[in-house]
Amino acid sequence: EDQVTQSPEALRLQEGESSSLNCSYTVSGLRGLFWYRQDPGKGPEFLFTLYSAGEEKEKERLKATLTKKESFLHITAPKPEDSATYLCAALSLVYNQGGKLIFGQGTELSVKP
Amino acid sequence: DTEVTQTPKHLVMGMTNKKSLKCEQHMGHRAMYWYKQKAKKPPELMFVYSYEKLSINESVPSRFSPECPNSSLLNLHLHALQPEDSALYLCASSRTPDRDRSGELFFGEGSRLTVL
Repeated sequence: EDQVTQSPEALRLQEGESSSLNCSYTVSGLRGLFWYRQDPGKGPEFLFTLYSAGEEKEKERLKATLTKKESFLHITAPKPEDSATYLCAALSLVYNQGGKLIFGQGTELSVKP
Repeated sequence: DTEVTQTPKHLVMGMTNKKSLKCEQHMGHRAMYWYKQKAKKPPELMFVYSYEKLSINESVPSRFSPECPNSSLLNLHLHALQPEDSALYLCASSRTPDRDRSGELFFGEGSRLTVL
């Protein structure tokens, strides 16, 4: 069964304290790994797409990496405004149906000043 | 500012009511999605429309009825809902439904539904 698992469920950091979020996946027919950020009461916001092992993408204090079984979201010197839930999702293409995103449970990040 | 617009932002309805959620995008995207999200849970796929045709229905109860009048609009008609249907309903779009970038979804801010 296709599955995406994120850890930890919650992470509390001090401002400036770097860390990483983990996303492990077991998906047949994987066609991409995606990271989203979601603020409370809002829809998720797309951050990154990773297609192949070894690929890296960066945006401000965030860097996403991909291996054959995991993806990491590295947060360097975080600020309070980085507080949000980070969702990882794997894309599986279903024959004749198109793409289906399989979301992980998310990591709730809190950055204290 | 999100380019996917959902209305209403909040909706309270009784179990016998009929209401609709609306979603609009003007990015020329050819795939549109309805997701349901409960508190502290990830979004859960309900329906996918590809080129205005229903391509995926994730075994959603018939009290939820989707409609795609054209490539920019997506509706979700609600009838005889249950209190457990209370959730944030998210609309999303992607450029195409059948390529690798179909995982790059643009979400609206959601419609918060409460069923009494």
